[in-house]
Amino acid sequence: SQQGEEDPQALSIQEGENATMNCSYKTSINNLQWYRQNSGRGLVHLILIRSNEREKHSGRLRVTLDTSKKSSSLLITASRAADTASYFCATYRNTGGFKTIFGAGTRLFVKA
Amino acid sequence: EPEVTQTPSHQVTQMGQEVILRCVPISNHLYFYWYRQILGQKVEFLVSFYNNEISEKSEIFDDQFSVERPDGSNFTLKIRSTKLEDSAMYFCASGTGNNQPQHFGDGTRLSIL
Repeated sequence: SQQGEEDPQALSIQEGENATMNCSYKTSINNLQWYRQNSGRGLVHLILIRSNEREKHSGRLRVTLDTSKKSSSLLITASRAADTASYFCATYRNTGGFKTIFGAGTRLFVKA
Repeated sequence: EPEVTQTPSHQVTQMGQEVILRCVPISNHLYFYWYRQILGQKVEFLVSFYNNEISEKSEIFDDQFSVERPDGSNFTLKIRSTKLEDSAMYFCASGTGNNQPQHFGDGTRLSIL
């Protein structure tokens, strides 16, 4: 399977609820990043967590990284309708060159 | 807040023609990237560029593709002899370091007829 796979593929919740998205990957990484993409737009960087970190917070976002399980999760607390978007994890490896691999994304729909 | 800008927003080209997609990265960034996203699919890495040379490229980035930083501000992706399957959104991104967040433009939608 591909490096950086998110689940679920789609998630529909009510405004105010929490949304959790997961990402799994295959190879060693230097960091893992989460991005948001609104329909028809570019990707917006949300948060970066390095391979030696286990948890990071940014506002309503909480990201965890478990390098032993090669997995990460993104939690959005108290979701809002404006959080409706696709969310992607991206793994970065420095292998002499540098390459970022994106997963297929989770489509989040927050109902008002 | 500084932005990555891409032009044109939509490019329609006949199969077999050459296209150049243009990007203006954020001015103090040194690392540059191109990605593509076929409709409904994942974002695919094409190439990374640093210090006026390609740092890494994917299997997609074959001899049909080239990148250039012709001056201090632009970063271009050239696709020679376009094919129908080149139709996609092409995103440019830039960053301050190779282990730092990337800032994306809004993309160029390339349609090959």
